[in-house]
Amino acid sequence: KAGVTQTPRYLIKTRGQQVTLSCSPISGHRSVSWYQQTPGQGLQFLFEYFSETQRNKGNFPGRFSGRQFSNSRSEMNVSTLELGDSALYLCASSLYRSGVTQDEQYFGPGTRLTVT
Amino acid sequence: SQQGEEDPQALSIQEGENATMNCSYKTSINNLQWYRQNSGRGLVHLILIRSNEREKHSGRLRVTLDTSKKSSSLLITASRAADTASYFCATGAYSGAGSYQLTFGKGTKLSVIP
Repeated sequence: KAGVTQTPRYLIKTRGQQVTLSCSPISGHRSVSWYQQTPGQGLQFLFEYFSETQRNKGNFPGRFSGRQFSNSRSEMNVSTLELGDSALYLCASSLYRSGVTQDEQYFGPGTRLTVT
Repeated sequence: SQQGEEDPQALSIQEGENATMNCSYKTSINNLQWYRQNSGRGLVHLILIRSNEREKHSGRLRVTLDTSKKSSSLLITASRAADTASYFCATGAYSGAGSYQLTFGKGTKLSVIP
């Protein structure tokens, strides 16, 4: 099976712009989570989607948003970019079956966003 | 917010030696997982231990979990240069609406010297 893929891998944007990152989960995985990784704050949870619905959200401002499509692919959007948004953005997918817990998350290679 | 706190922050050992990393956390969990990350790339899942388990093995990896002390340890035996990476513990918990969330520590940077 192909792993989690993220596009683009690298991105350079200017303050004030917006950006959209894409994540394709492992085939059959229905849950997609997003994380931000920075040297100062480490890995922080952004949000989780399941069946096109956001089920959980981390402590990030409203400039960070996401969505999930019917094929489980997910996108996250950051509007009005700030210098502090420079980070590695990681997407993870997991298999979810009703009544069975499948807790392992499989991560993609990440998108490295640089805001100048 | 960080849940797990790894100790030490950095560890340097000779190839063939064992490496031990510790993780402490604050709230109740469903499970605890360990991940490896090479040079700012994606995370690779190593092992998951559930809250009702005390020890788990996978190849050269041994994980222990003490829920009374809210701590876990990862032991890598007979280390290799290829084990050089950052290692993260992540606590997993379910919130309302069935959502599952991983909360990561800041990691231990392991260097294995050939």
